[in-house]
Amino acid sequence: AQTVTQSQPEMSVQEAETVTLSCTYDTSESDYYLFWYKQPPSRQMILVIRQEAYKQQNATENRFSVNFQKAAKSFSLKISDSQLGDAAMYFCAFVGSGNTGKLIFGQGTTLQVKP
Amino acid sequence: GAVVSQHPSWVICKSGTSVKIECRSLDFQATTMFWYRQFPKQSLMLMATSNEGSKATYEQGVEKDKFLINHASLTLSTLTVTSAHPEDSSFYICSARAEGPNTIYFGEGSWLTVV
Repeated sequence: AQTVTQSQPEMSVQEAETVTLSCTYDTSESDYYLFWYKQPPSRQMILVIRQEAYKQQNATENRFSVNFQKAAKSFSLKISDSQLGDAAMYFCAFVGSGNTGKLIFGQGTTLQVKP
Repeated sequence: GAVVSQHPSWVICKSGTSVKIECRSLDFQATTMFWYRQFPKQSLMLMATSNEGSKATYEQGVEKDKFLINHASLTLSTLTVTSAHPEDSSFYICSARAEGPNTIYFGEGSWLTVV
């Protein structure tokens, strides 16, 4: 079975600084997708970034980028120039091959941004 | 873009009664939808996979007779919590898979309080 682990329950960053959230996963599949979702207090799930396992290039979306290490099964999220609006709970998620849409989530990391 | 609507956003019901939550894909057909449960400051726990025209697939430990799922059309899945008890109080959120490689959209979620 696939598992996703986020070992940092809480993280804190100063506004305008950079922070990295960690995520590791376990799977026997070679083809899969990885995601980072943001969940603000409204509880709406917001897709931050997505990475296809077959792509070696790390995904980037404006201030958000990932460090995808397939061999190490690691998928960290880097937030640059942190803003107050980035404060939220962040979830790393995995979905296996077959385009099922069935997401397996990590435990989540609560990010605090200090002004 | 694609939108998934969930209704109601908030519901309070008396212990022993049943309550229904709807998950609707507004501009795409979703043959597969997913229901998650989330306790405060915790991750999303997959409860079941809702398949259009067939029985839902429940995750281990989820009581299928208590959490009834119906996916009668390509745009609507419903979750009915039967004989609700206070411990069923939680945040319930659905997701739907759209066309495209693992394109997944989330509803806004529903807060259930059983008194």
